[in-house]
Amino acid sequence: DGGITQSPKYLFRKEGQNVTLSCEQNLNHDAMYWYRQDPGQGLRLIYYSQIVNDFQKGDIAEGYSVSREKKESFPLTVTSAQKNPTAFYLCASSINTTPAKPQHFGDGTRLSIL
Amino acid sequence: AQTVTQSQPEMSVQEAETVTLSCTYDTSESDYYLFWYKQPPSRQMILVIRQEAYKQQNATENRFSVNFQKAAKSFSLKISDSQLGDAAMYFCARFTYQGAQKLVFGQGTRLTINP
Repeated sequence: DGGITQSPKYLFRKEGQNVTLSCEQNLNHDAMYWYRQDPGQGLRLIYYSQIVNDFQKGDIAEGYSVSREKKESFPLTVTSAQKNPTAFYLCASSINTTPAKPQHFGDGTRLSIL
Repeated sequence: AQTVTQSQPEMSVQEAETVTLSCTYDTSESDYYLFWYKQPPSRQMILVIRQEAYKQQNATENRFSVNFQKAAKSFSLKISDSQLGDAAMYFCARFTYQGAQKLVFGQGTRLTINP
């Protein structure tokens, strides 16, 4: 079955540590996205990528980094510069970035501070 | 600001009855898309329904329908014959072409279904 796989489901970060969240899709989608969800709030866009080897900042990119070396993969690194990383992170993909093509979401990763 | 507002943090409805979730938005664009997503306890985001702004006809998907009022910038979701499986957080979202091409989400409405 095609879909989006996020791992791990739960992740803990120590002070000053960088952590990487994995997102893999087998839908053959060109566009991929990372969102952050805080309690009582909707999703906010961190980064998105329209094509391999290209990505753009979203609304809250500070303290995060991404790469897009393969079409199927779009990992998100939460760096030590992100002072409030505790949140639920969702990865999504779509055929392209036009709104006519809906975004499909993974099951998410919950990141907490130790 | 390109915002999406859901004024009802929580709603509840009796099973088999109808409930309407409200959403308003702000935009200076003439053409855009609107969405309702459902997030059950599993936390996965599931697309419920989509509306293209240039279409006057309201979108319908089985028990889910929208009331799209473009002039009022209103986009409400009606769920008919509510089922226990409809219990979830519901997010209204708008796609914007300004800056990063992205979905802008509202804060969500938690819907409870009473048996």
